[in-house]
Amino acid sequence: KAGVTQTPRYLIKTRGQQVTLSCSPISGHRSVSWYQQTPGQGLQFLFEYFSETQRNKGNFPGRFSGRQFSNSRSEMNVSTLELGDSALYLCASSAGTGDNEQFFGPGTRLTVL
Amino acid sequence: KQEVTQIPAALSVPEGENLVLNCSFTDSAIYNLQWFRQDPGKGLTSLLLIQSSQREQTSGRLNASLDKSSGRSTLYIAASQPGDSATYLCAVPLPGGTGFQKLVFGTGTRLLVSP
Repeated sequence: KAGVTQTPRYLIKTRGQQVTLSCSPISGHRSVSWYQQTPGQGLQFLFEYFSETQRNKGNFPGRFSGRQFSNSRSEMNVSTLELGDSALYLCASSAGTGDNEQFFGPGTRLTVL
Repeated sequence: KQEVTQIPAALSVPEGENLVLNCSFTDSAIYNLQWFRQDPGKGLTSLLLIQSSQREQTSGRLNASLDKSSGRSTLYIAASQPGDSATYLCAVPLPGGTGFQKLVFGTGTRLLVSP
């Protein structure tokens, strides 16, 4: 069974630009969550999508948005990039019900210059 | 507000030692607790998931315990190996919302096992 995949693995952008990250969950999983990891703040929850609907949301500005498609693949978009958005962005996949064990992808390393 | 703390922040041991990593949480009304490992610059690997009704879970050389009443979980690693070197994170779902998907992570314990 294939694991969680994220593309691209690395991105370099400049301030003011926007970026889209992609996550493909484990086959059969309907929930995709996104996390931001930085050395200063650790792992912070961004949002979760379940069956194409945003079900949970963290405390991030509106520049961070996401969506989920009918095949459960999810995208995350960050607009008007700031230097502080440089981070490892991780997505997690789970069934969304039951024991809710979450499985993480390898992450996308975003660097904003 | 749920806060998760991990002690120690870093640990260095020689190969073969048994060791214990600690995780504390402030709100005992948790649905489950999950332990992960993270290699430098990589994603998280799920190690063990303990449901709130369980006291222990075992996988190979790993054993995790959960004591909800005291707000603590421990991860026991037997006969440590250099390949165990990584950062270990515990996480609990935040109450509220739906589906218990919003995880709150501890700050992690960075483990180094020397040959």
